[in-house]
Amino acid sequence: KQEVTQIPAALSVPEGENLVLNCSFTDSAIYNLQWFRQDPGKGLTSLLLIQSSQREQTSGRLNASLDKSSGRSTLYIAASQPGDSATYLCAVSSFYNQGGKLIFGQGTELSVKP
Amino acid sequence: KAGVTQTPRYLIKTRGQQVTLSCSPISGHRSVSWYQQTPGQGLQFLFEYFSETQRNKGNFPGRFSGRQFSNSRSEMNVSTLELGDSALYLCASSPMRQSYGYTFGSGTRLTVV
Repeated sequence: KQEVTQIPAALSVPEGENLVLNCSFTDSAIYNLQWFRQDPGKGLTSLLLIQSSQREQTSGRLNASLDKSSGRSTLYIAASQPGDSATYLCAVSSFYNQGGKLIFGQGTELSVKP
Repeated sequence: KAGVTQTPRYLIKTRGQQVTLSCSPISGHRSVSWYQQTPGQGLQFLFEYFSETQRNKGNFPGRFSGRQFSNSRSEMNVSTLELGDSALYLCASSPMRQSYGYTFGSGTRLTVV
């Protein structure tokens, strides 16, 4: 059974810091991995999608890496801003599940202080 | 391009009632999935519909059901509501199941009193 873990559960940093959020999964047979952000009481906003054959994806100040063999993904945020404050969730799609079902971690709640 | 639209945004229902939530996917997206989000359990998969057929189902009781129409719009229904059904219900759509990732709607906040 696939399990997804995110560490740390919460993180508070001063504005301008570079930071890394971690995501680990127990079964390496994944189809892809997706990072989302969620603002309080809102839906999920997709940040990056990494296919199982890829090692990393970049979008602006965000960079996500994937190491399937070790069951890990990291989300790197450069030069953090107060607007980056949100909960960040990673989710995996299992290779054998053939679609539709994302398995989510519990999220990392990020607070960026001005 | 319009995003995933969920209606209504907020609902308050009484225990024992039933409720229907609606999701309109992005135009051209054929896969629609539903999730329940609670503070204690996080995001949990309910079910997925593709081409009007349920393709995948999570571990929820039979009180939770859904359907998808020919225009890919989807509804989920919860019968005999319980207090524990209070949650944010999120819908996600994708062009072709898991290949292209998922886009989520803003959710429906259901409160059962």
